[in-house]
Amino acid sequence: AQKITQTQPGMFVQEKEAVTLDCTYDTSDQSYGLFWYKQPSSGEMIFLIYQGSYDEQNATEGRYSLNFQKARKSANLVISASQLGDSAMYFCAMREDSLILTGGGNKLTFGTGTQLKVEL
Amino acid sequence: DADVTQTPRNRITKTGKRIMLECSQTKGHDRMYWYRQDPGLGLRLIYYSFDVKDINKGEISDGYSVSRQAQAKFSLSLESAIPNQTALYFCATSDYTYTLAGLAWEQFFGPGTRLTVL
Repeated sequence: AQKITQTQPGMFVQEKEAVTLDCTYDTSDQSYGLFWYKQPSSGEMIFLIYQGSYDEQNATEGRYSLNFQKARKSANLVISASQLGDSAMYFCAMREDSLILTGGGNKLTFGTGTQLKVEL
Repeated sequence: DADVTQTPRNRITKTGKRIMLECSQTKGHDRMYWYRQDPGLGLRLIYYSFDVKDINKGEISDGYSVSRQAQAKFSLSLESAIPNQTALYFCATSDYTYTLAGLAWEQFFGPGTRLTVL
């Protein structure tokens, strides 16, 4: 089974509207972390937001919020008031803390990404 | 200045050549990683290092080697490059830090190196 599943290969949203990018994850760990990264066409990976598995509040960073539903194992990214500069590939990733003990070393497992296009 | 830098940013080479990709960081993090990105596959881990004496293979280490010269430097080598190693390569660092809110996790990526093997 995929550890991180992003079911939307591509999304379109109109400028100033909100958009939700889906991410579901699969882990048996109790302690883990979920990340969202933005990758513009220039290629760099830009950290957006982080949610720890024990965090009770949904993470927010400016226009980004993470809708964390632990029982459903979902960690959707919500971008409010979309801007043209938000057009990019977005990756969801997970850190599983048990991997520290089994040799995985805090690596991140990535989904296949969602290409977001913001239109006028 | 960028916290995680990679050199070169772009490289075109031929099959069979030895290539070294370098990564430097000023974050002060002990943990460093090399990932590769292929279209449609997200990022996959090649190697990682917890400190200068600790090197570990990731899920796709065949055909690659690494060297941790110092806390701040982690190099990836392709001993004999082949075309299916054409990809975007990322170096990353991570560590826990203490903040006013408690223990926080940081993970940062370098700008990437586009490698093309002809």
